[in-house]
Amino acid sequence: NAGVTQTPKFQVLKTGQSMTLQCAQDMNHNSMYWYRQDPGMGLRLIYYSASEGTTDKGEVPNGYNVSRLNKREFSLRLESAAPSQTSVYFCASSRTGPNTGELFFGEGSRLTVL
Amino acid sequence: GENVEQHPSTLSVQEGDSAVIKCTYSDSASNYFPWYKQELGKGPQLIIDIRSNVGEKKDQRIAVTLNKTAKHFSLHITETQPEDSAVYFCAANSPKNYGGSQGNLIFGKGTKLSVKP
Repeated sequence: NAGVTQTPKFQVLKTGQSMTLQCAQDMNHNSMYWYRQDPGMGLRLIYYSASEGTTDKGEVPNGYNVSRLNKREFSLRLESAAPSQTSVYFCASSRTGPNTGELFFGEGSRLTVL
Repeated sequence: GENVEQHPSTLSVQEGDSAVIKCTYSDSASNYFPWYKQELGKGPQLIIDIRSNVGEKKDQRIAVTLNKTAKHFSLHITETQPEDSAVYFCAANSPKNYGGSQGNLIFGKGTKLSVKP
């Protein structure tokens, strides 16, 4: 099984450009998440989707939008990229809700905003 | 909301020694405490978790202990091996949320473990 697949793995943007990070899972999980990882900051939740058709803000949602396209796919969009959004982004999924079940992470998307 | 502190930020041990990583949390309502291991260039992977109705859980060379009164939990790795070298994250669930319908995991900032052969 592929698990959680993220694309692209690397991206360089200029300030003000937009882009979408794609995520898909093949485990029939209900919940999906987007985290960002910065040096010395751990993992911080951007947005999550507890089930198909629902999305909620996490700890650091400003500057991002998400779409839960269907049960498999959850995309993260940066409408106008800023240098502060330079980070490694991880998509994750879980069978149960976010509080009680194992999160399965993708391999990450490294984004640099110049 | 929940706050999770993790120590130390880096840890270096000799192969065969034990390693201990400690975390504290602030929300007494938290009841789920997972540990994730992240190898270089990979996403984090769950290695063990514990719920608030037990004080200790073991899985081969890995154990986690939980002290609810003191609001801290620890990861213990015995007989460390070079392949244990990675960044380890603790987390606690946050029954309160950021405005959505469910709580979420709050992660510590990570511990980089190096096991020297």
